[in-house]
Amino acid sequence: NAGVTQTPKFQVLKTGQSMTLQCAQDMNHEYMSWYRQDPGMGLRLIHYSVGAGITDQGEVPNGYNVSRSTTEDFPLRLLSAAPSQTSVYFCASSYKGKGSPLHFGNGTRLTVT
Amino acid sequence: GESVGLHLPTLSVQEGDNSIINCAYSNSASDYFIWYKQESGKGPQFIIDIRSNMDKRQGQRVTVLLNKTVKHLSLQIAATQPGDSAVYFCAEATDSWGKLQFGAGTQVVVTP
Repeated sequence: NAGVTQTPKFQVLKTGQSMTLQCAQDMNHEYMSWYRQDPGMGLRLIHYSVGAGITDQGEVPNGYNVSRSTTEDFPLRLLSAAPSQTSVYFCASSYKGKGSPLHFGNGTRLTVT
Repeated sequence: GESVGLHLPTLSVQEGDNSIINCAYSNSASDYFIWYKQESGKGPQFIIDIRSNMDKRQGQRVTVLLNKTVKHLSLQIAATQPGDSAVYFCAEATDSWGKLQFGAGTQVVVTP
């Protein structure tokens, strides 16, 4: 199993550009989520999904969209990039939510200029 | 809002000694806790978890202690090795789907 795979590893955007961060897992996990990590701070939840076709907002959802058309994939879309979205983004999945630990990808480092 | 926090931002430990990383939480409704290790350039890696109906749980070289009375969580690493150098995060879950709230992290530096 590859686990949780994120692409790209690095990305530079100009303000106002849009892009999609890809996330795929091959563990048949129901629960998937996106976090952002900023220096000196813990991980903050952006959006999450408890199954295909179901998504919900986390702590910091503004400026991001998600969809979950399949169990395996959970892309994160930046609609109009802003410098405040410069961060490292992590996708994570778990089998059933609480009681089963999150498995993280290795992150996408995004810089918005 | 309620949050998870860590007492020490950096912990320097001599190789072979035991490490103790502390975490305070303030949400009394939290009933599931996890410790993660994050090495530079990588995603957080699961270390150990504990439910609120337990006080202690042991893994390989690691022990997590939970004190619900004072809302305190700790991670003990036995015989710390250079490979243990990383940032350690505690996290708590408060709802049925386990949305985790993370602390800011503690940097552990293992010195020879």
